[in-house]
Amino acid sequence: DQQVKQNSPSLSVQEGRISILNCDYTNSMFDYFLWYKKYPAEGPTFLISISSIKDKNEDGRFTVFLNKSAKHLSLHIVPSQPGDSAVYFCAASDGGGADGLTFGKGTHLIIQP
Amino acid sequence: GAVVSQHPSRVICKSGTSVKIECRSLDFQATTMFWYRQFPKQSLMLMATSNEGSKATYEQGVEKDKFLINHASLTLSTLTVTSAHPEDSSFYICSASPHGDFQETQYFGPGTRLLVL
Repeated sequence: DQQVKQNSPSLSVQEGRISILNCDYTNSMFDYFLWYKKYPAEGPTFLISISSIKDKNEDGRFTVFLNKSAKHLSLHIVPSQPGDSAVYFCAASDGGGADGLTFGKGTHLIIQP
Repeated sequence: GAVVSQHPSRVICKSGTSVKIECRSLDFQATTMFWYRQFPKQSLMLMATSNEGSKATYEQGVEKDKFLINHASLTLSTLTVTSAHPEDSSFYICSASPHGDFQETQYFGPGTRLLVL
């Protein structure tokens, strides 16, 4: 049973537009959510996180939105840049971030010039 | 599909002992597996890349004699923490890539919590 789902394996967005990556979860005990970015042949790097006590967290061009009732979170990137092309993983934790992470299978974002 | 398991999920050991963690790809063959150490709330540190049938490639700063990696088959990689100390206590995650290290897709295991007393 997949507890963290990223239903779009890939997403293509034009440079300068908004990229929206979605993530759904089923475990209501999850209380901390993270997004990681991964380039080919490299490990994932932490991008942005959000605690379940918030519904929005913003960091520069990146904003994560959390809808607890829908068990849904999304990552918005605006404006999208060529360097944003990568695989994005959504992850969730039920220990306030101190415990282990459950990952989605990733969404490959392609920014087109 | 694309399920990765880890065993054990949690382990507590005494300082000085060795601990082996297994990472298995259950429904696909993984030519490459990756081992990460998780730090609270944020980063995943890539420790090493494990290639089937060859020596692992370790990241800078990771002691290869302390963290032994064996990738004996296309579905199994093991990480052995030798002479574990309390500072090795952490959450260790593996991921597997079905197409080798140039493929973006990785499937993550559920992780192993190691506590060294």
